[in-house]
Amino acid sequence: ILNVEQSPQSLHVQEGDSTNFTCSFPSSNFYALHWYRWETAKSPEALFVMTLNGDEKKKGRISATLNTKEGYSYLYIKGSQPEDSATYLCAFANQAGTALIFGKGTTLSVSS
Amino acid sequence: NAGVTQTPKFQVLKTGQSMTLQCAQDMNHNSMYWYRQDPGMGLRLIYYSASEGTTDKGEVPNGYNVSRLNKREFSLRLESAAPSQTSVYFCASSDNSGADTQYFGPGTRLTVL
Repeated sequence: ILNVEQSPQSLHVQEGDSTNFTCSFPSSNFYALHWYRWETAKSPEALFVMTLNGDEKKKGRISATLNTKEGYSYLYIKGSQPEDSATYLCAFANQAGTALIFGKGTTLSVSS
Repeated sequence: NAGVTQTPKFQVLKTGQSMTLQCAQDMNHNSMYWYRQDPGMGLRLIYYSASEGTTDKGEVPNGYNVSRLNKREFSLRLESAAPSQTSVYFCASSDNSGADTQYFGPGTRLTVL
């Protein structure tokens, strides 16, 4: 059974803090790693899709890195804002044509 | 461009009743998915359809059936609803499964009494 683990489960930071979370996935048979942002009462929205070892993606203050050899990805948020409060999901695919396996997410709360 | 649409938005059923959740996408995507969201459990895949004419079980398929009616539509049926199926159901679609971004519908909140 393929397992995707995210840590921490939740965290609370102050506005302006930078933070990062981890997604761990099986290092064998890697195909793609996705990050999604999920605000309360809304639907998940895609942040990044990464496919190559060493990939780095950036969107505004949010960035992500990928290490397929050791099976982890980091998501970084620089200078957190209250509007960054959401659950951040990662999802793993081990080959083309298969469904994603989602982690349970990291819930971020940013106080002003 | 509506993206992924789901109907209904809310539904209350009694134990043993049946219903079908509808999902449609207008992005010409090949792959479609049904997930359920429960507190502390994240998103769990019920069924998916990698392409028109194919369906596969996900992590939690028991008690559900699906139909990929055509390329646009993918329905989820509960034949005999149980309280354990109380959940929020999300439909999603992607160009192809695996590396392509999934686009999610607004969700259906289902309560089974």
